[in-house]
Amino acid sequence: AQSVTQPDIHITVSEGASLELRCNYSYGATPYLFWYVQSPGQGLQLLLKYFSGDTLVQGIKGFEAEFKRSQSSFNLRKPSVHWSDAAEYFCAVGARRSGGYQKVTFGTGTKLQVIP
Amino acid sequence: GAGVSQSPSNKVTEKGKDVELRCDPISGHTALYWYRQSLGQGLEFLIYFQGNSAPDKSGLPSDRFSAERTGGSVSTLTIQRTQQEDSAVYLCASSASLAGGQRGTDTQYFGPGTRLTVL
Repeated sequence: AQSVTQPDIHITVSEGASLELRCNYSYGATPYLFWYVQSPGQGLQLLLKYFSGDTLVQGIKGFEAEFKRSQSSFNLRKPSVHWSDAAEYFCAVGARRSGGYQKVTFGTGTKLQVIP
Repeated sequence: GAGVSQSPSNKVTEKGKDVELRCDPISGHTALYWYRQSLGQGLEFLIYFQGNSAPDKSGLPSDRFSAERTGGSVSTLTIQRTQQEDSAVYLCASSASLAGGQRGTDTQYFGPGTRLTVL
């Protein structure tokens, strides 16, 4: 079964600083990988996804993530954080099941605080 | 044409009562998922519906939990005899997945959730 680990429960960065959120996954085949963001009181919004091809994936809001198979990682990055990026970020891995659908397993999330 | 909607947005109930949570997926999406998000936890898969196929109920935590999807669209998650540990945010997601479908069609789009509080 697949699993996802987000080792950082809480991260604080200064506005304008760079950001990297870590995600490690466990899955026996090529995974589908996702990053979602959840702002307070909001539903989850997809930031970016990796299915195949180029291992550096660009997403919305200036985020990117790099799939590193050798490290089983899919870390999320942003070169310059804005105060509006304060939210909780979830990494997820998807695996196609025999019924044809994709079962997605989510990490426990990393809460990002942005300070002036 | 809007996104996934869920109702109610908040539900407070007494222990032992039954509750129903509703999800309206994106029009045309054949796949529908329910998740539970407890405080400080990730998202816990509950149940999956795909078209007319039998649902995958493997994530339902107990037989007090059940879900239906009528007409391949709206879904209702029912929790009977609620317990305090059922307090959580219940999230619904839909996707355009087709059975055996292509990569790229599987992205799940989430609703805003229903916050359930059991007193």
